Amino acid sequence: DQQVKQNSPSLSVQEGRISILNCDYTNSMFDYFLWYKKYPAEGPTFLISISSIKDKNEDGRFTVFLNKSAKHLSLHIVPSQPGDSAVYFCAASEGGGADGLTFGKGTHLIIQP
Amino acid sequence: DAGVIQSPRHEVTEMGQEVTLRCKPISGHDYLFWYRQTMMRGLELLIYFNNNVPIDDSGMPEDRFSAKMPNASFSTLKIQPSEPRDSAVYFCASSLGPQGSNQPQHFGDGTRLSIL
Repeated sequence: DQQVKQNSPSLSVQEGRISILNCDYTNSMFDYFLWYKKYPAEGPTFLISISSIKDKNEDGRFTVFLNKSAKHLSLHIVPSQPGDSAVYFCAASEGGGADGLTFGKGTHLIIQP
Repeated sequence: DAGVIQSPRHEVTEMGQEVTLRCKPISGHDYLFWYRQTMMRGLELLIYFNNNVPIDDSGMPEDRFSAKMPNASFSTLKIQPSEPRDSAVYFCASSLGPQGSNQPQHFGDGTRLSIL
């Protein structure tokens, strides 16, 4: 039973446009959400996170939105750049450090020139 | 600053052999996590430590898997005996505190394990 789902295995976006990556979760105990970016043969790199007490967090070109009632979060990248081409993982955790991260299967983002 | 360091980067061995994966966390981080990535199941938590003490090992697949953290700067994940289905990429990660303190985990580059 997948508790974190990324339903789009891949996404192609033109350079300069907005990239929107989506993630759904089922566990209502999750209260901290993260996005990681991964290049081939490297480990996941932390990108941005959001606590469940917020509905938006912004860092430069990256913004994460959280809709708790829908159990949905999204990552917006604007403008998209060629270096953004990578696999993006959504991850979630329960509060208090009770456990590690539960990951989605990832979305492969391809930025077209 | 040095990140999380894993060794070896690649390991190829025959089934039945013992495999030991190593991890050096970021200095000062008091949480250490081991994950496994496979095509079928994605990234899964195996075990994590807090201040060198194992906290949750419910993700460890079988008794053939064991993990230790003898000190704050070193951890091992051992598989004995290894089987072909253990082939995967194993990641180590560390963090300053639990996720409730809004501290992200930082990952090493992984060990790609192939069991023939």
